[in-house]
Amino acid sequence: DVKVTQSSRYLVKRTGEKVFLECVQDMDHENMFWYRQDPGLGLRLIYFSYDVKMKEKGDIPEGYSVSREKKERFSLILESASTNQTSMYLCASRTTARAFFGQGTRLTVV
Amino acid sequence: QKEVEQDPGPLSVPEGAIVSLNCTYSNSAFQYFMWYRQYSRKGPELLMYTYSSGNKEDGRFTAQVDKSSKYISLFIRDSQPSDSATYLCAMSDDNYGQNFVFGPGTRLSVLP
Repeated sequence: DVKVTQSSRYLVKRTGEKVFLECVQDMDHENMFWYRQDPGLGLRLIYFSYDVKMKEKGDIPEGYSVSREKKERFSLILESASTNQTSMYLCASRTTARAFFGQGTRLTVV
Repeated sequence: QKEVEQDPGPLSVPEGAIVSLNCTYSNSAFQYFMWYRQYSRKGPELLMYTYSSGNKEDGRFTAQVDKSSKYISLFIRDSQPSDSATYLCAMSDDNYGQNFVFGPGTRLSVLP
């Protein structure tokens, strides 16, 4: 089975902090994605990467950056956390049309 | 018009009922269709995957695709309280492509 692992299930951070969310997949997938999920808004794509050191902006990249130094690892960075970034963050990976998700990180910014 | 539409629910049914969950879409190029189940505070898990039109069955679950109507369905037979979750449809136009779209999800409650 494909495994996508996110480094934390729950995080609480203060406004202005730099926040790192880590995601690791074990199936040699080329494509990796970061989404945020909010009630009533569904899944919104923040960034994706289709190869090492490659990245593309999704629908809501503002306030975020990403890093993909190794194929299996895709990091989401909140440069200066704000309260409106409180959300559920989901990492996914895929090669074919089937995407596999991590367990999610519930981030609260206070 | 949104690219993928899905009734958000909530949908409440008694245990044992047949459940029908649906999505409509506008992009005729979509060929790969998926259903995900998401329990509260967890990540989505892939439930069903189909290519092009037709039906696919897996236990109590049947996925149906009608490309001519741009309509996909997930049927759950003999629904159980453990089926209570949010169900998201997803679709893609290319097996390796970047155009991968999710529906907003339907929240289902199966009452004992």
